[in-house]
Amino acid sequence: DTGVSQNPRHKITKRGQNVTFRCDPISEHNRLYWYRQTLGQGPEFLTYFQNEAQLEKSRLLSDRFSAERPKGSFSTLEIQRTEQGDSAMYLCASSPPGGTEAFFGQGTRLTVV
Amino acid sequence: GQQLNQSPQSMFIQEGEDVSMNCTSSSIFNTWLWYKQDPGEGPVLLIALYKAGELTSNGRLTAQFGITRKDSFLNISASIPSDVGIYFCAGHTSYGKLTFGQGTILTVHP
Repeated sequence: DTGVSQNPRHKITKRGQNVTFRCDPISEHNRLYWYRQTLGQGPEFLTYFQNEAQLEKSRLLSDRFSAERPKGSFSTLEIQRTEQGDSAMYLCASSPPGGTEAFFGQGTRLTVV
Repeated sequence: GQQLNQSPQSMFIQEGEDVSMNCTSSSIFNTWLWYKQDPGEGPVLLIALYKAGELTSNGRLTAQFGITRKDSFLNISASIPSDVGIYFCAGHTSYGKLTFGQGTILTVHP
């Protein structure tokens, strides 16, 4: 399977715990995006990498959120001290060099109890 | 910030009917994309539009990039049960991120 891969698919955590999600983009795609989607809404932009550089962060990305893409390949999104409001689907997407299409993974469903 | 207004919010149609949905924006976009999302899955890209006035087809799907660059529509012809899902429009600027509409929920009755 050469699509965008996200792990885990589902995560249930207690409030206050830290969680980390991983995204493996399509090979050769240099741009990687993180989005958050809540029920009944479209995906909302969180952050964007071009290779290993984090070029843009949304105001939605509070200090408890951090994303990395250390070698310009896979990326991780960490949420510290989770809150119930963090419950959502976290989506990763990648784009090829020079392309504007974004291809999404299956997402990670986070439930904070 | 940029906002996309997608309509209708939901549609209930009979199998075989044609469907039309649209998206309008207060801002200009360089690219319009249409996605379909099934429950519990990520959005799947259906059609990408790159130039104002462009009309593109993908099987039973047809989409157009509005002349003003502030709107787009998606048509589905001869709907079938597997067309059920949520359809999202998304606009892309030169900054890289996509801005999504709120989605159109499509239900197809056999």
